[in-house]
Amino acid sequence: DAGVIQSPRHEVTEMGQEVTLRCKPISGHDYLFWYRQTMMRGLELLIYFNNNVPIDDSGMPEDRFSAKMPNASFSTLKIQPSEPRDSAVYFCASSRTGFIYGYTFGSGTRLTVV
Amino acid sequence: GENVEQHPSTLSVQEGDSAVIKCTYSDSASNYFPWYKQELGKRPQLIIDIRSNVGEKKDQRIAVTLNKTAKHFSLHITETQPEDSAVYFCAAGQAGTALIFGKGTTLSVSS
Repeated sequence: DAGVIQSPRHEVTEMGQEVTLRCKPISGHDYLFWYRQTMMRGLELLIYFNNNVPIDDSGMPEDRFSAKMPNASFSTLKIQPSEPRDSAVYFCASSRTGFIYGYTFGSGTRLTVV
Repeated sequence: GENVEQHPSTLSVQEGDSAVIKCTYSDSASNYFPWYKQELGKRPQLIIDIRSNVGEKKDQRIAVTLNKTAKHFSLHITETQPEDSAVYFCAAGQAGTALIFGKGTTLSVSS
């Protein structure tokens, strides 16, 4: 099992540019979560999906953030336009049947907006 | 919604000592409490978890205790080693919802 795969690992972009982060969950996992990690705020839940359907997006900071899950093996998190305060590590995690077996996190995408 | 508080934010111990990290949660419906370890530059990894029908769980040098009445749970690491140095996160949740994480504890074990 290749685990949860995120791309890119690092992204440096200029303020105002569009950024797209990608995630491939573990096959057979029906939940997918997006978290943002910063020193000040820790691991913040942004949005999560169950069977490709968004369940709770109340953690998405503003309309500049959007997430999709077009199929069971792929999800994207898009920021448009990006701002310096969006700089953080973005983690994707997947789980089977909620979190009965715990989350498996991807390696994360370190985003730097300059 | 759920809110998880974690203390202390930093913890320094000598090798061989014990370390204790404590968390409180707000939602009495939460019934799953995992702990994750994150080494520098890496992803969080599950190290132990406990469900609300159990008061304590042990796995070698690591143990977790849960007090549902008081809504708090703790991670205990005995005989600490330098490789235990990392950031530890507690979390709380229930089936059908996402985990809410504490802000983390940076544990430093000096030899």
